[in-house]
Amino acid sequence: QLQLQESGPGLVKPSETLSLTCTVSGGSISSRSYYWGWIRQPPGKGLEWIGSIYYSGSTYYNPSLKSRVTISVDTSKSQFSLKLSSVTAADTAVYYCASQEYSFAILDYWGQGTPVTVSS
Amino acid sequence: EIQMTQSPSTLSASVGDRVTITCRASQSISSWLAWYQQKPGKAPKVLIYKASSLQSGVPSRFSGSGSGTEFTLTISSLQPDDFATYYCQQYDSFLFTFGQGTKLEIK
Repeated sequence: QLQLQESGPGLVKPSETLSLTCTVSGGSISSRSYYWGWIRQPPGKGLEWIGSIYYSGSTYYNPSLKSRVTISVDTSKSQFSLKLSSVTAADTAVYYCASQEYSFAILDYWGQGTPVTVSS
Repeated sequence: EIQMTQSPSTLSASVGDRVTITCRASQSISSWLAWYQQKPGKAPKVLIYKASSLQSGVPSRFSGSGSGTEFTLTISSLQPDDFATYYCQQYDSFLFTFGQGTKLEIK
């Protein structure tokens, strides 16, 4: 069974770049059955899909965040990463990574989530 | 960009009740609709995929229906473990969108 684990700084200054990494275990990040996605949840609010990446490097981003988001993959390390630039307090959230099953279009395995606060 | 609207935002019910949550898409999404359950401090868990298919390991009291723009999640007989927040999620052209969530509270 897939396991995902987020890692990265819990505090980022305004205008800087938020960087997180997700490590995948229990399966291959190069599986043709999965995309790998990032989702966030501001405190007390709902879920927002940020974007996803295929092992080949193909990416898809939420149009509302597209200008600030970069998702990359390192298959040799079984990791994929999120960079969100020019952050503001509105980017404060719990950030989740998840496996995005290709055939049924669902997020079936999730990391535990990592809280990120944007503050000076 | 497809928008998802869930109703109600909050639902108060009792153990044993039958409850229904509705999700409406701003345009047709065929059956590309999933439902998730989230408990405080935890990651969401998928319950239903392709509008009406039960994810492995999910109790049969959960069911989903609908297609096009109107979808429902039904819990046939509420159990204490079911009090949580529920989200719908649509998929279209490699993009995902969530509904705003429905908090199911104990009456």
